[in-house]
Amino acid sequence: QSVLTQPPSVSGAPGQRVTISCTGSSSNIGAGFDVHWYQQLPGTTPKLLMYGNINRPSGVPDRFSASKSGTSASLAITGLQAEDEADYYCQSYDSSLSGYVVFGGGTKLTVL
Amino acid sequence: QLQLQESGPGLVKPSETLSLTCTVSGASISSSGYYWGWIRQPPGKGLEWIGSMYYSGGTHYNPSLKSRVTISEDTSKNQFSLKLSSATATDTAVYYCAIIKRWLLAEGWFDPWGQGTLVTVSS
Repeated sequence: QSVLTQPPSVSGAPGQRVTISCTGSSSNIGAGFDVHWYQQLPGTTPKLLMYGNINRPSGVPDRFSASKSGTSASLAITGLQAEDEADYYCQSYDSSLSGYVVFGGGTKLTVL
Repeated sequence: QLQLQESGPGLVKPSETLSLTCTVSGASISSSGYYWGWIRQPPGKGLEWIGSMYYSGGTHYNPSLKSRVTISEDTSKNQFSLKLSSATATDTAVYYCAIIKRWLLAEGWFDPWGQGTLVTVSS
């Protein structure tokens, strides 16, 4: 059971827009801690996709965007492409138990 | 360019200590403002933060693993290491080393990551 909750799977057709939610609580996202997102293509290492809630590292297409509100965050992908099929993870920090880094359980994106 | 490379035994017997090393190139592990850490991913499952070590030697561990984990540094080799004692089959995972380049662990994100190494706990 992950501290941050993500849907196990989402899907969309090429060209469509999909969103992936990351739901936390008052001790992590709701406490103001930043949310970061990672993309893990099949058989590869996770790669930083978004950081500091809304920021894209250089090289990440602007089809990817993210937001945060209250105790939740979301990742949006527009103009879906086959190459976007991957697992996506959110990450934040939880202030309970003297504080620790937390990940969401991951969401498998399938491009139909 | 900052790069990380994990190394260590791919097979560990139950009850023994799982030991891995992360070799850093492109930066000194004594660099201020960096957290050097470990993350694992059991086969077919999600990511779990194990712990991180600050450049000055301070450590932060996942509460669920804290009693079994030690992260330490070897500045002479520009490496940091992970030791996980009393290993069981549930510790079977791909282990990644990764960096947080922030002054506060709570603000940070992991980038870059090593390529990961699979460790199997089995007799």
